Amino acid sequence: RKEVEQDPGPFNVPEGATVAFNCTYSNSASQSFFWYRQDCRKEPKLLMSVYSSGNEDGRFTAQLNRASQYISLLIRDSKLSDSATYLCVVTFTGGGNKLTFGTGTQLKVEL
Amino acid sequence: NAGVTQTPKFRILKIGQSMTLQCTQDMNHNYMYWYRQDPGMGLKLIYYSVGAGITDKGEVPNGYNVSRSTTEDFPLRLELAAPSQTSVYFCASSSPLAVYEQYFGPGTRLTVT
Repeated sequence: RKEVEQDPGPFNVPEGATVAFNCTYSNSASQSFFWYRQDCRKEPKLLMSVYSSGNEDGRFTAQLNRASQYISLLIRDSKLSDSATYLCVVTFTGGGNKLTFGTGTQLKVEL
Repeated sequence: NAGVTQTPKFRILKIGQSMTLQCTQDMNHNYMYWYRQDPGMGLKLIYYSVGAGITDKGEVPNGYNVSRSTTEDFPLRLELAAPSQTSVYFCASSSPLAVYEQYFGPGTRLTVT
């Protein structure tokens, strides 16, 4: 079983739609959680951290469910520019703060 | 600030050849990393460094070597290239105070034939 699992998609949504992705992690000793964004043929960039209480950054909301071992990313009012691959990233206790990346969920926002 | 720069952007190698992927950062970050990204796979950590003169293996170090003589530079050496090393290679850096916020270079697309 992969340490971090994501639905690869693609998720095809119309502009203005709300879309949500989930990511599950297998190690209960997971410590910290993040979402990175990767545009096609570009480098990954940090989108946002995920806090236990949930957090929001504009149209983006991230939530953590430790009991079920998953994190989620909700994007409201999707824009064409949101089209990208969203990478779920986890650090594990004892992992020396190294990041473990999921394979990513591809989002395509269409007119 | 240029951030993290990598050269070359693209390279085709023949089996058995060697090459060095260059990585430089100008953010004075102590921590630097090398990842590879294969289609449908997550980024895999090859090597990392927490400071000049200190390097350590990541998840997939076989077939690679690194050195860290300065804070700015972290080259990755491929010896005896194999088709399995065909991948996109990303270098990244971070502050030790925020290791989760890694700044990536634009990547090197390597094909070994």
